[in-house]
Amino acid sequence: SQQGEEDPQALSIQEGENATMNCSYKTSINNLQWYRQNSGRGLVHLILIRSNEREKHSGRLRVTLDTSKKSSSLLITASRAADTASYFCATDESGTYKYIFGTGTRLKVLA
Amino acid sequence: DAMVIQNPRYQVTQFGKPVTLSCSQTLNHNVMYWYQQKSSQAPKLLFHYYDKDFNNEADTPDNFQSRRPNTSFCFLDIRSPGLGDAAMYLCATSRDAGWETQYFGPGTRLLVL
Repeated sequence: SQQGEEDPQALSIQEGENATMNCSYKTSINNLQWYRQNSGRGLVHLILIRSNEREKHSGRLRVTLDTSKKSSSLLITASRAADTASYFCATDESGTYKYIFGTGTRLKVLA
Repeated sequence: DAMVIQNPRYQVTQFGKPVTLSCSQTLNHNVMYWYQQKSSQAPKLLFHYYDKDFNNEADTPDNFQSRRPNTSFCFLDIRSPGLGDAAMYLCATSRDAGWETQYFGPGTRLLVL
């Protein structure tokens, strides 16, 4: 089954810097979602972007989608220590109710 | 205002001793999912319910079962836990099938001794 692969696996930045993480997937999708997971906790939905959209914003988050390259990126601007978490992309499996999660990027924001 | 609640948050069981994890939701969503997540890995879908229709993933071991007695509750039963079943178990819901946001509970961390 398709799975998003995220890059980098781990990212460490200073507070105030921007963080960019990328997700690549294998087959056509209807939409792609980004989730955040704090250590030992459940996932929190951040943004959903549909296949006919190229860019979405939510506060300090910006998501882009390039369906021709089968890739998406999540940009967190002006990062804060509280942004320290793992970030996962999830793509829907066409024709099903299922999402397949990527391997995740572990972001550490240093104060 | 908890929306997806999982109990217990931590569960310790013995090798081979059946265990049940609980999930409840106040969102009145049609779809409920169970995921298994091992350390530093992606959540892996075990099965989901669309209303009362059960959908098992092909690679979910027979050791894992699920029940959904009503819209609000869903249970994960592990009949004979092995050491390899130690993981975080995440319950999620979505309003409907298809291209919907999933709302996750805080998870239950299972330890098998």
